[in-house]
Amino acid sequence: QKEVEQNSGPLSVPEGAIASLNCTYSDRGSQSFFWYRQYSGKSPELIMSIYSNGDKEDGRFTAQLNKASQYVSLLIRDSQPSDSATYLCLSGNTPLVFGKGTRLSVIA
Amino acid sequence: EAEVAQSPRYKITEKSQAVAFWCDPISGHATLYWYRQILGQGPELLVQFQDESVVDDSQLPKDRFSAERLKGVDSTLKIQPAELGDSAMYLCASSGGLSNEQYFGPGTRLTVT
Repeated sequence: QKEVEQNSGPLSVPEGAIASLNCTYSDRGSQSFFWYRQYSGKSPELIMSIYSNGDKEDGRFTAQLNKASQYVSLLIRDSQPSDSATYLCLSGNTPLVFGKGTRLSVIA
Repeated sequence: EAEVAQSPRYKITEKSQAVAFWCDPISGHATLYWYRQILGQGPELLVQFQDESVVDDSQLPKDRFSAERLKGVDSTLKIQPAELGDSAMYLCASSGGLSNEQYFGPGTRLTVT
């Protein structure tokens, strides 16, 4: 059965630091991955998508994909208190599977 | 900015009653998804539509849940009869084009008493 694993946290980082969120997956055939941010009581919001090995940067966010190690990560630079949320990893190939999410707390 | 619409936002129902949720995807998005999210867990896919056809409903409890997208646009998810364990957030998402990037609606918070 396809699995997506995330450390549930909480991950606490000071304001201005780099937050590193990690996700491992079991299906070697997975080709696309997505990171979502979810505030408490709200629906998930798409942050980044990544389809090929390497890094993809968008503003303060960098997604990294390593298919050989079956590992995808999200780096948040200059973390802000408003980044405090749960971050969900989605393996985008059928069957669609979300991780359980990592709770990030940015301390001012 | 185009958004996925869902209604109702909140629903309280008694067990054994029927309940229905509605979703209107972003205009032009051919793929529509229904997820269930229990507190502290990631969303679990219930059903995926491509236009009006079901692509994946392997996790849909078909004895009590049904979903339709008759004209390939908006969609309804129904539970009958509702059980206490169905209390959760029901999320609808849509995607279009080749990217498969999914955009979520605000969700429906269901409480079964």
